[in-house]
Amino acid sequence: SQTIHQWPATLVQPVGSPLSLECTVEGTSNPNLYWYRQAAGRGLQLLFYSVGIGQISSEVPQNLSASRPQDRQFILSSKKLLLSDSGFYLCAWSVSQLYGYTFGSGTRLTVV
Amino acid sequence: RKEVEQDPGPFNVPEGATVAFNCTYSNSASQSFFWYRQDCRKEPKLLMSVYSSGNEDGRFTAQLNRASQYISLLIRDSKLSDSATYLCAVNNDAGNMLTFGGGTRLMVKP
Repeated sequence: SQTIHQWPATLVQPVGSPLSLECTVEGTSNPNLYWYRQAAGRGLQLLFYSVGIGQISSEVPQNLSASRPQDRQFILSSKKLLLSDSGFYLCAWSVSQLYGYTFGSGTRLTVV
Repeated sequence: RKEVEQDPGPFNVPEGATVAFNCTYSNSASQSFFWYRQDCRKEPKLLMSVYSSGNEDGRFTAQLNRASQYISLLIRDSKLSDSATYLCAVNNDAGNMLTFGGGTRLMVKP
């Protein structure tokens, strides 16, 4: 069966520090991968999506970037965090829009 | 107009009540529709897909109204454990991404 792993679960980082969040999927090949952010009490904001290795599309301009070095690995990064980067970061995968997305357990990031 | 809109609630209902949520979408070409459940501080989890003919899973019924461009979720015999935020999701023009509504919060009281 397919599983998605996301870590760390919680992160507290100072303003200006770098960020690296990793997401891996098991049990499927060539998934579509997504990074979402959810601010406190708000909806899901799509940040990046990828349909294949090295293929990244950005939905919202910001100081974050994403990479997909391997088929089932998706990384979210920042060189310098801002206070506004705080939020709940969710990775998701899908193989077909007929079946919706499956989300990872998320990383709760607090920038202080 | 937002692509996908939901009443944020909260909907406060007693145990055993029937409650319904609607979700409107703006893209008439959308083909895939879903309801997700999100518990506090957790990830969204797929509750059910919404088919053109409507579908039912136990106490939950989802329906699609293409003419008026909305989907609905009906929960019968509400349980305390149904308290959560319910997100609707609709695919985009190209079919490769889902757009989520802001969610409707449900609180079921004893």
